[in-house]
Amino acid sequence: AQSVAQPEDQVNVAEGNPLTVKCTYSVSGNPYLFWYVQYPNRGLQFLLKYITGDNLVKGSYGFEAEFNKSQTSFHLKKPSALVSDSALYFCAVGTGGFKTIFGAGTRLFVKA
Amino acid sequence: GAGVSQTPSNKVTEKGKYVELRCDPISGHTALYWYRQSLGQGPEFLIYFQGTGAADDSGLPNDRFFAVRPEGSVSTLKIQRTERGDSAVYLCASSFRGVGNTGELFFGEGSRLTVL
Repeated sequence: AQSVAQPEDQVNVAEGNPLTVKCTYSVSGNPYLFWYVQYPNRGLQFLLKYITGDNLVKGSYGFEAEFNKSQTSFHLKKPSALVSDSALYFCAVGTGGFKTIFGAGTRLFVKA
Repeated sequence: GAGVSQTPSNKVTEKGKYVELRCDPISGHTALYWYRQSLGQGPEFLIYFQGTGAADDSGLPNDRFFAVRPEGSVSTLKIQRTERGDSAVYLCASSFRGVGNTGELFFGEGSRLTVL
């Protein structure tokens, strides 16, 4: 069965520092991997996806993520965090079927 | 508007009542999804439509939950005999292409259901 794990409930980082939000997955077959962000009182917004090709994918707002097949990971990264990046981040996986399964989410707090 | 629209944004009801939640997807999106998000949790898959038909309803928790999409556009999630445990935010998402699941989902802002 598909599953997604986000091992950290919260990540704290100072503004200007690099950030990483971790995600690992378990699927049978080739994974389609996604990151979404949820700001307070807003709907989930797509950030980026990995389907195939280059393991490093770039997305909105300066975010990027690296697909690592051997470690079954898809960590979200940003070289320099902004206070406005503070939000709830969800990793998600699909396998070519119809479901997209979401992780429990990681709250990112960027301190000025 | 151009985005996914969900109504009502908030619904408070009493235990045992019937509730309908509506989703109007992005025009031209053939795939429509319902998710449920409880406090502190990620979205939990409920049901997926491709066109008018429910292609996968394996996430519906029990037979009190039902969803329709009669004309392949607007969808309604129906909950009978509501229970306090049904309280959550119900999210609708649409996608241009559901087959192969490579497309990103576009979410509405959700309908917050509170069952007293």
